[in-house]
Amino acid sequence: AQSVTQLDSHVSVSEGTPVLLRCNYSSSYSPSLFWYVQHPNKGLQLLLKYTSAATLVKGINGFEAEFKKSETSFHLTKPSAHMSDAAEYFCVVSGYGGATNKLIFGTGTLLAVQP
Amino acid sequence: NAGVTQTPKFQVLKTGQSMTLQCAQDMNHEYMSWYRQDPGMGLRLIHYSVGAGITDQGEVPNGYNVSRSTTEDFPLRLLSAAPSQTSVYFCASREGLAHKSYNEQFFGPGTRLTVL
Repeated sequence: AQSVTQLDSHVSVSEGTPVLLRCNYSSSYSPSLFWYVQHPNKGLQLLLKYTSAATLVKGINGFEAEFKKSETSFHLTKPSAHMSDAAEYFCVVSGYGGATNKLIFGTGTLLAVQP
Repeated sequence: NAGVTQTPKFQVLKTGQSMTLQCAQDMNHEYMSWYRQDPGMGLRLIHYSVGAGITDQGEVPNGYNVSRSTTEDFPLRLLSAAPSQTSVYFCASREGLAHKSYNEQFFGPGTRLTVL
């Protein structure tokens, strides 16, 4: 079975400070992992994905995430937050095997960026 | 290239009414899916399709029907609306068949549905 846990429902940072959004996963198979972002009243947009290549994945808008198999984690980071980063972020897992068609979404982390 | 489009953007229904949420994509993607988004619950898969004529249930299929007569269109039907179906509905599509779940999914802008 696959699951994903986002450890924080809300994160607040000041503009210019680092961002850390935490995600742990569980998968019986070699997983694919994604981070999606949703700005208010918009659809979801892919930030980055891990598919068993490099463990450090770089995405759009300066975000990156590191796949750590030993810790079953896939945390999202950014060195310096911008006001435009305020949004909801979803960690998503997809595995091979019987559940290949299904993405499992975390419950989301709402990122607030203070001026 | 419009990507994934959804209509309507907003809808209010009374309990017991039926309606169809429309979804279309112009990227020739085999895989399409419907999700509902509720506060604090992330997105949950309702139904999905791996090609024309092939559909399957997701995590929360009860009260919804789908069909896939063409590659482009994947409508979601609410048979008899209930207040528990008040939610935001997203349609998504991606390239590839079953074993390419690592491909990016493209999401539509969503339909906000309220059932009174």
